Amino acid sequence: EVQLVESGGGLVKPGGSLRLSCAASGFSFRNAWMSWVRQAPGKGLEWVGRIKSKTDGETTDYAAPVKGRFTISRDDSKNTLNLQMNSLKTEDTAVYYCSWVAAAGSRRPYYYYLDVWGKGTTVTVSS
Amino acid sequence: DIQMTQSPSSLSASVGDRVTITCRASQSISNYLNWYQQKPGKAPHLLIYAASSLQSGVPSRFSGSGSGTDFTLTISGLQPEDFATYYCQQSYSLPRAFGPGTKVDIE
Repeated sequence: EVQLVESGGGLVKPGGSLRLSCAASGFSFRNAWMSWVRQAPGKGLEWVGRIKSKTDGETTDYAAPVKGRFTISRDDSKNTLNLQMNSLKTEDTAVYYCSWVAAAGSRRPYYYYLDVWGKGTTVTVSS
Repeated sequence: DIQMTQSPSSLSASVGDRVTITCRASQSISNYLNWYQQKPGKAPHLLIYAASSLQSGVPSRFSGSGSGTDFTLTISGLQPEDFATYYCQQSYSLPRAFGPGTKVDIE
């Protein structure tokens, strides 16, 4: 069974740091592109960023509100995706989901979509 | 960056109704458009990718159409388990913006 399990959420003060992890199982994690999506309380979904597989250069991309403060990384030996969050702001309060980025299509550019999601972990930034 | 809008923001419907949700992109995204369903307290769930391709396991009462800037998600014969919030997402370029969501509740 394909499964993603996030951990590491909690309460942190503004300006603080937190590291989220996402444990993957049931699929070839080393070949997978992965993404983080967040959802503030009572709000919609917000794409946070993405990391490609090592084969594809392990490139990362971020949404503007988190660029320069958040870092996505992966440990293929442990099938784990990470999100290092620094200089946290109250507006970063949200449920954070990790997701497997799947691709469809016979030629580039492929159709990318978020196929499998974890249950999420809650981050609260408050003094 | 591409901006996504959805209409309506919410709607009330009855079991058996045909429901249509619209998603619009701020520029052409060809058919690089996904639809997700989210129930309260749960993670989102993929319904449709590439504007009209039904994800495996998703009931055939869900369908998607559109290309360019205008897209629709249609639920033909609303079921009790379909009351949820629906989001579109463009996968044409980075950042992969989501629409603001459309909440479907019971009339």
